[in-house]
Amino acid sequence: DVKVTQSSRYLVKRTGEKVFLECVQDMDHENMFWYRQDPGLGLRLIYFSYDVKMKEKGDIPEGYSVSREKKERFSLILESASTNQTSMYLCASSLSAGESNYFGPGTRLLVL
Amino acid sequence: AQKVTQAQTEISVVEKEDVTLDCVYETRDTTYYLFWYKQPPSGELVFLIRRNSFDEQNEISGRYSWNFQKSTSSFNFTITASQVVDSAVYFCALRRSNYQLIWGAGTKLIIKP
Repeated sequence: DVKVTQSSRYLVKRTGEKVFLECVQDMDHENMFWYRQDPGLGLRLIYFSYDVKMKEKGDIPEGYSVSREKKERFSLILESASTNQTSMYLCASSLSAGESNYFGPGTRLLVL
Repeated sequence: AQKVTQAQTEISVVEKEDVTLDCVYETRDTTYYLFWYKQPPSGELVFLIRRNSFDEQNEISGRYSWNFQKSTSSFNFTITASQVVDSAVYFCALRRSNYQLIWGAGTKLIIKP
């Protein structure tokens, strides 16, 4: 079974803090994704990566950056957290472009 | 424009009733994929089905069935004899030509005992 893990289930941070969300997958998947999920908006793609050190902007990249130094790990960085970044963050991976996404359990981030 | 619409925000039924979740999509692509995912209260999204645009055959998996109709751009999901464990948020998604997924807003399904 594919396993996608995220470093935290819940996080509380203060405005202006730098926040790191870590995601690790154990199935050698090429593609990894970061989404945020907000009520009534579904999932929105922040960034994705199709290879180590490669990244592509999704629909809402502003205020975020990512890092993929190793194939299995994809990090989402909030350089200076703001209250409008309070959300559920979901990481996903897929074997190849177009294949089904396998999701982690999510990180619920609260920015005060 | 590419878009996925799940018009039903929330559906509530009594256990053992059948329920259909609607999904309507827009795309100009001739080749595309559609997906359904389930998100139980625990939060983790679970993949249910992937269907490509060339295969309009309906699919059945136990109590779950999917009706894909290109003529109406719909990919509806039916749960037969619903159970409390089916309570979840269900998402429909469309794969873009650049392989990214476009997601519907989700339908919250509540199954009452």
